[in-house]
Amino acid sequence: SAVISQKPSRDICQRGTSLTIQCQVDSQVTMMFWYRQQPGQSLTLIATANQGSEATYESGFVIDKFPISRPNLTFSTLTVSNMSPEDSSIYLCSVEWDSRDEQYFGPGTRLTVT
Amino acid sequence: GDSVTQMEGPVTLSEEAFLTINCTYTATGYPSLFWYVQYPGEGLQLLLKATKADDKGSNKGFEATYRKETTSFHLEKGSVQVSDSAVYFCALSDQGGSYIPTFGRGTSLIVHP
Repeated sequence: SAVISQKPSRDICQRGTSLTIQCQVDSQVTMMFWYRQQPGQSLTLIATANQGSEATYESGFVIDKFPISRPNLTFSTLTVSNMSPEDSSIYLCSVEWDSRDEQYFGPGTRLTVT
Repeated sequence: GDSVTQMEGPVTLSEEAFLTINCTYTATGYPSLFWYVQYPGEGLQLLLKATKADDKGSNKGFEATYRKETTSFHLEKGSVQVSDSAVYFCALSDQGGSYIPTFGRGTSLIVHP
């Protein structure tokens, strides 16, 4: 299995600012994913990040708001730009392990926008 | 499209009680089915999975059987513990597609001593 860490674990930010969340995996993986989990809700996929190519965004999410970098096979960042209180959520990164259909998740970043 | 429906929570039980969390799904293909668990303050962890009809996934005393005829994958445990308190997510992934899972809304389980 993969061990995934995220930084920061939580943050409180002011509206209009941006926050970059880091995701580090202890092994090389092809596909990394970013999810949003709003309070009491299920997970919503934001985008899929493959190394060496542009991230693929799901409907309702755009690159200007959620730019993603994937510089190598063990690391990715998600930026939440120009934040508003509606962006308050837990943001999770995950990886698909060994080309199987299982996903392994990081511990999440709990973001509060005031 | 694919979808997963879970029973609404919270489910509140006393320690050693029997647990069932219902999950039904809609899929066009032959999906793999999963249960993930999210403990307070943590990310999701894969609890168990089943990849074809009549398969039973099991882990840590939890079980779920892939029922194609009823499109269900109910989670059961014979005797819950306080440490099982968490949110449980049912999910499916289309084996013929992108493998990106579709998650249910999650069911919160609270176990009292």
